[in-house]
Amino acid sequence: GAVVSQHPSWVICKSGTSVKIECRSLDFQATTMFWYRQFPKQSLMLMATSNEGSKATYEQGVEKDKFLINHASLTLSTLTVTSAHPEDSSFYICSAIGTSRNTGELFFGEGSRLTVL
Amino acid sequence: QKEVEQDPGPLSVPEGAIVSLNCTYSNSAFQYFMWYRQYSRKGPELLMYTYSSGNKEDGRFTAQVDKSSKYISLFIRDSQPSDSATYLCAMSGNGQNFVFGPGTRLSVLP
Repeated sequence: GAVVSQHPSWVICKSGTSVKIECRSLDFQATTMFWYRQFPKQSLMLMATSNEGSKATYEQGVEKDKFLINHASLTLSTLTVTSAHPEDSSFYICSAIGTSRNTGELFFGEGSRLTVL
Repeated sequence: QKEVEQDPGPLSVPEGAIVSLNCTYSNSAFQYFMWYRQYSRKGPELLMYTYSSGNKEDGRFTAQVDKSSKYISLFIRDSQPSDSATYLCAMSGNGQNFVFGPGTRLSVLP
């Protein structure tokens, strides 16, 4: 299956700092990437959808100035958590669909665990 | 009524059992259906992708889609302890917007 890679897999930062998470599609061009947040034993919560070269579309209740998403190329999207606070600690996962894959075939990254002290 | 319903479990079965996981949905426009396996602290891994109705088999896994009943299933044959994970169903009508079930936690006991 297609490979979507996330980095870092685990990050610890101090309150007030910013953290960037990268999501890369390694073997296909990702026309659309999605970012999710997942709390323990809960389902995925969609945060935003990004299309290459366009501004991300954020879900209701997600602060776009807090969670900056950039999708500058067909293989890379980044999520930056700005001025992180302990309540931002969570598991963040990206996913992607692409033109070279089956329509609607969605691939996920490995996830990034953020801990804000 | 939620758009996608899935029994959250937990579901415990002995090793070697056949596991049946199911999701029901309400939107008749859904035509792309997927099953994912998610281990703790990992991203979901795509197990099965199905377009429209029918069956699909891959090794020990079989996915069934019954669009007339708005019901999808994932069967796991000869279940192994390594199959212990949370299984998510997902579906889409346009291949761009996705709806997920809450996931079923499965434990396969040795």
